[in-house]
Amino acid sequence: NAGVTQTPKFRVLKTGQSMTLLCAQDMNHEYMYWYRQDPGMGLRLIHYSVGEGTTAKGEVPDGYNVSRLKKQNFLLGLESAAPSQTSVYFCASSSGLAGRGEQYFGPGTRLTVT
Amino acid sequence: QQQVKQSPQSLIVQKGGISIINCAYENTAFDYFPWYQQFPGKGPALLIAIRPDVSEKKEGRFTISFNKSAKQFSLHIMDSQPGDSATYFCAASTTGTALIFGKGTTLSVSS
Repeated sequence: NAGVTQTPKFRVLKTGQSMTLLCAQDMNHEYMYWYRQDPGMGLRLIHYSVGEGTTAKGEVPDGYNVSRLKKQNFLLGLESAAPSQTSVYFCASSSGLAGRGEQYFGPGTRLTVT
Repeated sequence: QQQVKQSPQSLIVQKGGISIINCAYENTAFDYFPWYQQFPGKGPALLIAIRPDVSEKKEGRFTISFNKSAKQFSLHIMDSQPGDSATYFCAASTTGTALIFGKGTTLSVSS
């Protein structure tokens, strides 16, 4: 099993460009999450999904959109990238929400917006 | 607002020493308290977790101590090893909600 995979691993964008980050999991998990990690800020939840076709806002959703068209995939989109979105993005999945299933994290995507 | 406060931000411990990382929370409805470990260039991974019905949980060299009245919980790493050098995150949640993470502690264990 590959677990949680993220594509791409690294990306550099210019301000105003758009891109989509792809997360895939092969554990048949219902729940998927997107976090961003910034120095000294910890992990902050952007959006999450409790099942195929559902999405919900997390702590820092502005400037991002997500889609969960297939159970195994969770896409994070940046429509118009800003330097403030320079960060490391982590995807995670779990069989249940907190306390009902361990969250498994992907290896991360390092995004730089110039 | 920051609902889970973690300290210290960084920690240096001698090999064989005890590493202690503390977290405090405000929401008394929190009922799940995990710790995640993250090595450089990797995603976080669950290390150990506790629920408020017990005051302590131990797994090998790692122990969570929980003080419900003080709304605090801590991670103790006994006999710290260089391989324990990583960033540690505490987290908390209520039933059926997403985790809220602390800001992290970077642990360096010197040999």
